[in-house]
Amino acid sequence: QVQLQQWGAGLLKPSETLSLTCAVFGGSFSGYYWTWIRQAPGKGLEWVGDINHSGSTNYSPSLKSRVTISVDTSKNQFSLYLSAVTAADTAVYYCARGLGSTEATMGYWGQGTLVTVSS
Amino acid sequence: DIQMTQSPSSVSASVGDRVTITCRASQYISSYLNWYQQKPGKAPKLLIFAVSNLHGGVPSTFSGSGSGTDFTLTISSLQPEDFATYYCQQSYSAPFTFGPGTKVDVK
Repeated sequence: QVQLQQWGAGLLKPSETLSLTCAVFGGSFSGYYWTWIRQAPGKGLEWVGDINHSGSTNYSPSLKSRVTISVDTSKNQFSLYLSAVTAADTAVYYCARGLGSTEATMGYWGQGTLVTVSS
Repeated sequence: DIQMTQSPSSVSASVGDRVTITCRASQYISSYLNWYQQKPGKAPKLLIFAVSNLHGGVPSTFSGSGSGTDFTLTISSLQPEDFATYYCQQSYSAPFTFGPGTKVDVK
């Protein structure tokens, strides 16, 4: 049974860097896409970006200048970094694993982390 | 970017009703269309991938159809646990955009 558990700071000040990590339990770590999605309060879902097991990344153009996704295969973890956050980055951030080897079909999700950006 | 639209934005229904949600892509996405269900305060769950394939554990009351730009999610007999918000999402090309969601609530 694949489970994703995520953690990271929940309260940031403007201009700080958001840092979230997602640990994967059960199943292989290789051969999949690992994705971050966010959801602003009361809003819909926004794809942030993904990474595959070999470290190849794909980012949302609207966030590309500020976002980095990395993977640590030795720990079965992947991480999201978003620099220079503003109030507009306040959202619940979800990590997810792809279904099979297909990119962007998120079959398994973490529990979500609310990140609030406020001075 | 590929824009995804959904209709209706909300629907009120009763247990046992048939519910149909439509999703439209702004350009051709072949069969790269997924559906997710989200309940308040919870992470989304994958329901259907590649238009019509049910994810594990999803009841057969859910079905999907369509191709190209127009797609449909159908709940053939609404169950109490189906009251939720449903999102379509294209996995054809990055950025992998979602529709705005359709809320299914109690009539």
